Amino acid sequence: GAVVSQHPSRVICKSGTSVKIECRSLDFQATTMFWYRQFPKQSLMLMATSNEGSKATYEQGVEKDKFLINHASLTLSTLTVTSAHPEDSSFYICSASRLRRADTQYFGPGTRLTVL
Amino acid sequence: EDKVVQSPLSLVVHEGDTVTLNCSYEVTNFRSLLWYKQEKKAPTFLFMLTSSGIEKKSGRLSSILDKKELFSILNITATQTGDSAVYLCAVEADAGGTSYGKLTFGQGTILTVHP
Repeated sequence: GAVVSQHPSRVICKSGTSVKIECRSLDFQATTMFWYRQFPKQSLMLMATSNEGSKATYEQGVEKDKFLINHASLTLSTLTVTSAHPEDSSFYICSASRLRRADTQYFGPGTRLTVL
Repeated sequence: EDKVVQSPLSLVVHEGDTVTLNCSYEVTNFRSLLWYKQEKKAPTFLFMLTSSGIEKKSGRLSSILDKKELFSILNITATQTGDSAVYLCAVEADAGGTSYGKLTFGQGTILTVHP
């Protein structure tokens, strides 16, 4: 099956700093990547949809200036959490879509962000 | 606003039992419903359902969709400890072609299978 990686898997940072999370599709080209956030014992919440070469589409309530998304190539999307605060602590998961079909959306292993 | 509700939120069974997980939804412009298994990290795909009444089966797992009553069930027969996981239901909605693959997830059902 298709493989999606995320880096780092875990990061701890101080309040006020910025953190960058990478999402890579390792064996396929992904025209669309998605970023989700998952709080403990809660479901995945879509944050934004990222299309290669264009601006990301953010879901309602997600601050685009705080969560910067760059999708520079067909295999890489990055999420930068700027000026992180403790309430940004969460599990961030990306997914990459190989075809324009929901069943070809493959998820990365996630990044656990802890902001002190 | 699209909404997906799963029940029960958690379930504890013994090996060999059969379980039924439920997923109901309220979605504008429904396109498909998907089931995922999430063990520790990444959700892994189980089924995608688009048509009512057609059962999809994979080993001990099966699922069916009712588009009239707006729900789906996931059945697991002869459960094993390896089935312990969070099972997520997600619905894909057609938003005019700009949100292909955009999924709304339910809160998940935590299944624990004891030996």
